[in-house]
Amino acid sequence: AQSVAQPEDQVNVAEGNPLTVKCTYSVSGNPYLFWYVQYPNRGLQFLLKYITGDNLVKGSYGFEAEFNKSQTSFHLKKPSALVSDSALYFCAVRDMSNDYKLSFGAGTTVTVRA
Amino acid sequence: EAGVTQFPSHSVIEKGQTVTLRCDPISGHDNLYWYRRVMGKEIKFLLHFVKESKQDESGMPNNRFLAERTGGTYSTLKVQPAELEDSGVYFCASSQTFLGGGELFFGEGSRLTVL
Repeated sequence: AQSVAQPEDQVNVAEGNPLTVKCTYSVSGNPYLFWYVQYPNRGLQFLLKYITGDNLVKGSYGFEAEFNKSQTSFHLKKPSALVSDSALYFCAVRDMSNDYKLSFGAGTTVTVRA
Repeated sequence: EAGVTQFPSHSVIEKGQTVTLRCDPISGHDNLYWYRRVMGKEIKFLLHFVKESKQDESGMPNNRFLAERTGGTYSTLKVQPAELEDSGVYFCASSQTFLGGGELFFGEGSRLTVL
């Protein structure tokens, strides 16, 4: 069975500081990894994904994530956070051997203070 | 292009009543998924349609939940009778393919509150 862990319920940073949202995963095969964001009163929006190739993937709104196979991690990062980045972030994994079922973490609430 | 739309955005019902949630996927997307998030928990898979056929309904909690996708277009998720533990946000998503790394496109969710 596949699973995702987001160890931090909340992350608080000051505007302009680096932002990191942590994610670790467990799959039996090779993973497809995704990050989604949910702004208040909005649906889930796709941010970025790792399928294969370069371990550092870049996505929307200046976010990037690094795939680390040995640590089974896919942490989301942004070099300089904005107040508008305040939202709920979900990491998700899809096992290539079971490739239609997307498993999500519990989410991390990011608050960026001005 | 219109995204995934869900209706209603919020429904408040009493225990024992029936509620039907509707999802209109992105036009041309054969794959439609239902997910649910209970307060503070992870978003959990409920089921997956390919066109009008149920590909996987392993996540459906019990037989009080019934999902349909008439003609392979919009889908409905009926909860009958509703119980307190059914409260949560029900997300619908669609995709062109379920193979590989294609991302899912989500609607804004239908928040269900059972009193």
